[in-house]
Amino acid sequence: DSGVTQTPKHLITATGQRVTLRCSPRSGDLSVYWYQQSLDQGLQFLIQYYNGEERAKGNILERFSAQQFPDLHSELNLSSLELGDSALYFCASSLSGRAQETQYFGPGTRLLVL
Amino acid sequence: GENVEQHPSTLSVQEGDSAVIKCTYSDSASNYFPWYKQELGKRPQLIIDIRSNVGEKKDQRIAVTLNKTAKHFSLHITETQPEDSAVYFCAKMDSNYQLIWGAGTKLIIKP
Repeated sequence: DSGVTQTPKHLITATGQRVTLRCSPRSGDLSVYWYQQSLDQGLQFLIQYYNGEERAKGNILERFSAQQFPDLHSELNLSSLELGDSALYFCASSLSGRAQETQYFGPGTRLLVL
Repeated sequence: GENVEQHPSTLSVQEGDSAVIKCTYSDSASNYFPWYKQELGKRPQLIIDIRSNVGEKKDQRIAVTLNKTAKHFSLHITETQPEDSAVYFCAKMDSNYQLIWGAGTKLIIKP
């Protein structure tokens, strides 16, 4: 157990819908990362937050948005869902995101868009 | 832009034999190189990492080597066991402290 939690574990929805994925970082970690992993693919970095502020953006679609709240949990919002958005979404956390430190991954949310 | 090339994409070895996965990168400023293991349907987990001030690091059956001049680093697993079957990802940290990931290697251990 990495200490990073994600909910829900599984999500099934229809095209055009909107969903929210939630992540709680390890105790003491200030930085949160979101990744997308499509079937049998690698990890695509989406976005990073540090202490409530956006720090870095990767290949995140305009239909996707995220935020980090004062209690440091983060939410990833996916809207106007398409079939191709079906994937595993991982959240990871690290202490500061500004040093050579380990990123700890949560168990992921498996999203299926029908 | 910066990227990490990882080879091979699939590696099949006999149980008990060694496995080697290689990654190359283009940016000379990288100083931190972690390796993650991802079992089917599970989260990636750090198994070993290396910083640029050392050339090799070992942890039981796992070792990582780094050649900064040639810009490549490798994961070595000795005496492979069935539980080593997984996808392994290499990564390097860029100057903005972001991880740049390899595409992954599926390691299959044959009984």
